Amino acid sequence: DAEITQSPRHKITETGRQVTLACHQTWNHNNMFWYRQDLGHGLRLIHYSYGVHDTNKGEVSDGYSVSRSNTEDLPLTLESAASSQTSVYFCASSERTSGRARINEQFFGPGTRLTVL
Amino acid sequence: AQSVTQPDIHITVSEGASLELRCNYSYGATPYLFWYVQSPGQGLQLLLKYFSGDTLVQGIKGFEAEFKRSQSSFNLRKPSVHWSDAAEYFCAVGGQNDMRFGAGTRLTVKP
Repeated sequence: DAEITQSPRHKITETGRQVTLACHQTWNHNNMFWYRQDLGHGLRLIHYSYGVHDTNKGEVSDGYSVSRSNTEDLPLTLESAASSQTSVYFCASSERTSGRARINEQFFGPGTRLTVL
Repeated sequence: AQSVTQPDIHITVSEGASLELRCNYSYGATPYLFWYVQSPGQGLQLLLKYFSGDTLVQGIKGFEAEFKRSQSSFNLRKPSVHWSDAAEYFCAVGGQNDMRFGAGTRLTVKP
């Protein structure tokens, strides 16, 4: 069965370190997304990609970067981790459709809980 | 940009009772609307979606939602709640390029 996986599931790091969270999907979806989930804020979009070599900033992109070198993977990098980036991170993917729908049902990974000390 | 408001942070209902979770959106054009459910420690799962057509949408697990353009609402309903429905529920609205999520409503089910 197709799926979307994230690794690691839990990560503790120190302020200032570079951290990379992995996201891998076997749906063969063109669209991939990274969100962070914080109490009281729901999910907020960090970065997204509509295909290989395409990346776009979301509403909370400062301090994060992504690159898309193939269809299956969209790693999220925190260049210099800060305590404010302690959160649960979700990766999602969706199928490309016609018309206005770059917006479509998104399939979510299980999440990565990141703690920055 | 589009936005979503879920006015209720936490709702408690008795098992077997009916449920309605509120969602209000802001978007200048016809929205794409979604309801997702998140069980503890899990990712989000789609319950239902509205793109166009019939304003009453049926989803999985016995849920339905009604799109009311005049009220900018997309409320989620279930006629009889089961203990397994206890979870966090998120409404989302799709704009031109991305989706925005509400802050979520936590549902507690009393035996």
